[in-house]
Amino acid sequence: QSVLTQPPSASGTLGQRVTISCSGSSSNIGRHTVNWYQQLPGTAPRLLIYYNNQRASGVPDRFSGSKSGTSASLAISGLQSEDEADYYCAVWDDSLNGRAVFGGGTQLTVL
Amino acid sequence: EVQLVESGGGLVQPGRSLRLSCAASGFTFHDYAMHWVRQVPGKGLEWVSGINLNGDNVGYADSVKGRFTISRDNAKNSLYLHMNSLRIEDTALYYCARDVGRYYDNAAYSTWGQGTLVTVSS
Repeated sequence: QSVLTQPPSASGTLGQRVTISCSGSSSNIGRHTVNWYQQLPGTAPRLLIYYNNQRASGVPDRFSGSKSGTSASLAISGLQSEDEADYYCAVWDDSLNGRAVFGGGTQLTVL
Repeated sequence: EVQLVESGGGLVQPGRSLRLSCAASGFTFHDYAMHWVRQVPGKGLEWVSGINLNGDNVGYADSVKGRFTISRDNAKNSLYLHMNSLRIEDTALYYCARDVGRYYDNAAYSTWGQGTLVTVSS
């Protein structure tokens, strides 16, 4: 069971706006910045958002991140078919001598 | 082009050892912390280990602590993961990843390799 909780699945239609949540605790999201990854089938993860809301190089501005308290969200606007992928949140956690932790992942389906 | 290329994976029996390597190119290797992240096919991501830019500080997931050792050779632009006492549950695709910063206490990895598959089985 992941330290960070994400919904296992999400869906949206073309052009729609969808959000994916990531819930943590005071030892991780409550203290550190949140990062988001996209993983297309058969490929390595790609950094989308780092430091809560900074878009990585080459990431379109349709992707945005936010954080409040011990939760964070990834928003995707103007949904496109190529956005169909798995999405993971990740953050540093101060428990157990410190470690990076990932959410369980959210599989996004574009209808 | 920024690139990370892993090697060294393969089939190994439980209890045996394996060393993974990651060759970096296209960026100033010694300016960044580096990590190993693994993924069981069809499952989620798990951070394995991280190392600061000059190798003076490292961290491990509890699941591998005492069995795995991360190291780097900045002169060779290379990252390594020495894996001892391998278990069946260590079977996964192992990715090498570059941090966005200098210190490994972070979960922002801007560049990933294609991964190398480690299969632990008798």
